[in-house]
Amino acid sequence: QKEVEQDPGPLSVPEGAIVSLNCTYSNSAFQYFMWYRQYSRKGPELLMYTYSSGNKEDGRFTAQVDKSSKYISLFIRDSQPSDSATYLCAMRGTGANNLFFGTGTRLTVIP
Amino acid sequence: DAGVIQSPRHEVTEMGQEVTLRCKPISGHNSLFWYRQTMMRGLELLIYFNNNVPIDDSGMPEDRFSAKMPNASFSTLKIQPSEPRDSAVYFCASSVGQGRTDTQYFGPGTRLTVL
Repeated sequence: QKEVEQDPGPLSVPEGAIVSLNCTYSNSAFQYFMWYRQYSRKGPELLMYTYSSGNKEDGRFTAQVDKSSKYISLFIRDSQPSDSATYLCAMRGTGANNLFFGTGTRLTVIP
Repeated sequence: DAGVIQSPRHEVTEMGQEVTLRCKPISGHNSLFWYRQTMMRGLELLIYFNNNVPIDDSGMPEDRFSAKMPNASFSTLKIQPSEPRDSAVYFCASSVGQGRTDTQYFGPGTRLTVL
């Protein structure tokens, strides 16, 4: 079993829709949770960063962490064509530098 | 800030040839990571360095792969001999270190094709 599982999609939604992206994980030591966005033929870039359980909001983006269920989510409100990209979840434990990534979900927002 | 710089951006080579990928991390960052990305396996960590010292190379596929970081501003990933299954996009990333400021910044990647 992989440490981090993520539905690869692809996911297509109309502009303005609410998007929900999810990851599950197996290692209870993970404490730091991240979402990276990767545009085609580019490197991943950090989108959201949360520590432990709870919600974090940044503009149209909301990250949720449920450590009891080992489940994290990224919500995108009022999705835009410019949100079309691959979204990767990533996580690590305390004191560790290396991240464990999901395989990424490819999202297309249709105008 | 120029960001993480990788070269070459594209590399096409024949099976059996030596391939060297290069990375210049962001100035002041003390951790450097090499990743490989494929459609089938996603983003995999190959090796990471902290203060120029390799900390974890458990992700390096086999002895054909080697990585060095001779100083804080330069790292190489070498594949010798290369095989078609090594075809992938190789990313280098750097970070300041551990803690809440340890965001990893990725370079644009090197797209490697081994024929």
